[in-house]
Parts: sequence; structure tokens; C-alpha cells
Amino acid sequence: GAVVSQHPSRVICKSGTSVKIECRSLDFQATTMFWYRQFPKQSLMLMATSNEGSKATYEQGVEKDKFLINHASLTLSTLTVTSAHPEDSSFYICSAPSDRRSTDTQYFGPGTRLTVL
Amino acid sequence: GESVGLHLPTLSVQEGDNSIINCAYSNSASDYFIWYKQESGKGPQFIIDIRSNMDKRQGQRVTVLLNKTVKHLSLQIAATQPGDSAVYFCAENTGANNLFFGTGTRLTVIP
Repeated sequence: GAVVSQHPSRVICKSGTSVKIECRSLDFQATTMFWYRQFPKQSLMLMATSNEGSKATYEQGVEKDKFLINHASLTLSTLTVTSAHPEDSSFYICSAPSDRRSTDTQYFGPGTRLTVL
Repeated sequence: GESVGLHLPTLSVQEGDNSIINCAYSNSASDYFIWYKQESGKGPQFIIDIRSNMDKRQGQRVTVLLNKTVKHLSLQIAATQPGDSAVYFCAENTGANNLFFGTGTRLTVIP
């Protein structure tokens, strides 16, 4: 099956700093990747769609200047949480569809636990 | 808007018994549904999927049933094992490159 990796798996930072999270598709190319966040004991909430070669599409209520997304290549998307605050602490998960022609079946990365002190 | 919800937030079963996890959805236009398993501190893991032109699909020890009339989806796990303990999410493809997740059901397998 398709493999998606994330780095780092866990990060702790001070309030006001920026944190970059990488999402890579290891054995396939992905023109589209998705970023989710998940609070404890809650479901996944889609934040944005990362598009290779064009701007990301953000869901309603997600600040694009706060959560910067760059889809640098067909195998890498990055999410940068700028000027992080404690309320940004969450589990961030990326996903990518295994078929470039379809976004139906998405494979998820292992997630990144962000803790902002 | 669309909503995908689960009837039961928690489910405890004895090892070896069958498990049934239910999900309701509201967008009748959705044509693709997926079940994911999420263990603590990990990303969701694909289990099985089904398209709206089917009402049943079987995998290894798992079966997904789709009832479009009442907009209901279920996941059946046969001979549940301790390793099946996790949170299970149903997800709905709304057609706009979006997966919309349900609230999740925590399955606990009692040895």
C-alpha cells in the first residue's frame, strides 16, 4: 500500500515560534495532499488542501497566514505553523491519495504531535 | 452541511466475538465511504471502502454494509482480537476532494 511519512513525529516549542511539519509520499507521487488537525478524543478536521504547483485551498475558519502550506514537489508538502500559541497544540496529520487521477482513497501519515508551551 | 456521525461512541466486546460499528451520514450525494482505524498517537489506517453502487463489501475479517435508503454504514469485525482495539472512523467522500470524518467509536476488546 501507499506509504506517507511525516516529520517530526513530535515537537515542543515556545509560544511565538514557528514550526514546520513535513509530509512525504514515499512510494508514489501526489499532486494533492491534505492537512488535518485532531484535538484529543475528537475527529479529524480538514484544514487545507495542498496543491503541487499552485496555492493551497483552505477550509473555512482556517487562517492561511497562520498555517502556511507549500507543496514543493510531487512527494513533499510542508505545513508551517507561524507564531505558534498554546491553542495551536494539536495532532497534525497529512494524507495523500494513492492515485493521481482520483482523491478517493487517501493514505495518512503517522501524525505530528505539536505542543506549544 | 454534511454530517457523518456514529450511533455509539464506545463499544466493548469480548475477544472472539463479532463487533459491529455503525455510522450515519446525511449527504445523499456522497458516493464513496471509507472506514479507518486509528490507534493512540498514530494516523488513521485504511481498513475498507465501499462505493455507493454496492451494498456490501468484504475484506479479511471485516465487512462493510451500506444502506443508502437510510443513509447508514456499518463495519463488522469478525472474531475480534485485542489488536482491534482502537478508534474507528467512517469517512465520506463529498466529491470536492474532501473526506468528511465521523466522530469516531472507541472499540475495546476484553481478553
